Amino acid sequence: AQSVTQLDSQVPVFEEAPVELRCNYSSSVSVYLFWYVQYPNQGLQLLLKYLSGSTLVKGINGFEAEFNKSQTSFHLRKPSVHISDTAEYFCAVTLTGGGNKLTFGTGTQLKVEL
Amino acid sequence: GAGVSQSPSNKVTEKGKDVELRCDPISGHTALYWYRQSLGQGLEFLIYFQGNSAPDKSGLPSDRFSAERTGGSVSTLTIQRTQQEDSAVYLCASSLVGSSTGELFFGEGSRLTVL
Repeated sequence: AQSVTQLDSQVPVFEEAPVELRCNYSSSVSVYLFWYVQYPNQGLQLLLKYLSGSTLVKGINGFEAEFNKSQTSFHLRKPSVHISDTAEYFCAVTLTGGGNKLTFGTGTQLKVEL
Repeated sequence: GAGVSQSPSNKVTEKGKDVELRCDPISGHTALYWYRQSLGQGLEFLIYFQGNSAPDKSGLPSDRFSAERTGGSVSTLTIQRTQQEDSAVYLCASSLVGSSTGELFFGEGSRLTVL
């Protein structure tokens, strides 16, 4: 079965600084990878996804992530964060082939400070 | 409605009582998921409905938990004889096809507090 590890439960960062949120997955077969964001008191929404093709994927709000198969990672990055990026970020994985459930990591709370 | 609708948004109940949580997915979405979000636990998969296929119930934590989806649309998650450890936010999501090729659209959740 597939699994996702987000080692950082909280990441504090100053506004306009770069940030990287780490995600590692475990699977013996091909996977699709996702990042979801949950703003305070809101539901989750998709930030970006990797299905195939280019390993660098760009998402909303200036975020991007790189799929690294050899390191089984899918780290999320943003070169300059804003206060409004304060939220919880979830990495998720599912098996390719369709009809499979999405497995989430435990989440990383990004707190952007002035 | 335009999005996934969940009700109630908040539910406080006493230990031992039964509760029902409702999810109304986006019209036309064939896949429906229930997840549980507990503090520090991330999102825990509970159950997955896809079209007319048998649901994937592999995430249900005990036989006190059950879910049904009537007419391929609205779903109800039922927790019988609630326990304090059932306190969490229960999230419902839907997608047009299986999650591996489509985006999941989440509701805002039902916060359950068991006293």
